Amino acid sequence: DTAVSQTPKYLVTQMGNDKSIKCEQNLGHDTMYWYKQDSKKFLKIMFSYNNKELIINETVPNRFSPKSPDKAHLNLHINSLELGDSAVYFCASSQEQPGQGADFAPGELFFGEGSRLTVL
Amino acid sequence: DAKTTQPPSMDCAEGRAANLPCNHSTISGNEYVYWYRQIHSQGPQYIIHGLKNNETNEMASLIITEDRKSSTLILPHATLRDTAVYYCIVRVLYNFNKFYFGSGTKLNVKP
Repeated sequence: DTAVSQTPKYLVTQMGNDKSIKCEQNLGHDTMYWYKQDSKKFLKIMFSYNNKELIINETVPNRFSPKSPDKAHLNLHINSLELGDSAVYFCASSQEQPGQGADFAPGELFFGEGSRLTVL
Repeated sequence: DAKTTQPPSMDCAEGRAANLPCNHSTISGNEYVYWYRQIHSQGPQYIIHGLKNNETNEMASLIITEDRKSSTLILPHATLRDTAVYYCIVRVLYNFNKFYFGSGTKLNVKP
C-alpha cells in the first residue's frame, strides 16, 4: 500500500494551459503539504492544509490553487502555466496532533514520489 | 529560514562510517532536529530525529551536542545505496510549523 500517492507522475504541457495534480494519503494524517523542487534541487514548501483548512500559504502566485476536499486528499491546480513552473512537485503528509497511532515518528513527514511537470 | 547549515557535499568509502554534520546555532529549546534524505529524484525519506539525547535506530545514529547547536548524523556502514542528499531540519513538534529544507549535503558513497 502506497502511503502518499500522487498522480500523474509525469506531465508535459504547453504554456498557458491549466493542469491539476492529485494527492492522496492513507496514513490517517491530519496535515498535508505541497512542496516544489526546482532544477537547482531546492525543496520549497508551497502550501499546507490541516483537516481541510489552509495553514501555510507561502509566496506562491495566485495561479496555484490548492484544494482539500477531505483530510486524506490535497490537490493542486495550476492555471496559465509558465515555463518557470517546470519542476517536481511533491505532496507530503504528517500527523500534527499528538495521540494518533504509533506507526511513525512524531512529526514525521511522508512524501509522495513526486510529479514532474514540464512546461514547453 | 532553513536555520541549518550543512556542507554541500561529502565523500565516503563503502563500508566505512559516514558522519554528516549540521549546524543549528539558533535552535530554540523546544525545536527538534530531524534528518531526511533524498535518493536521486525520489521523495525525501525520514531517517531519525531527536531533541537532546543521542538517538539510534536501524538506519542511523544522531549525536546532538550538549549545547544543541550542532548535530551529526552517522551512517555506521555506508553502502552505495546511501548515496543521496541528506537534509537536516529543525522544527517544533506538533505546531504546524513549516518544514524548511536547506540545500542539504550530497553524500557520495564510493566503492
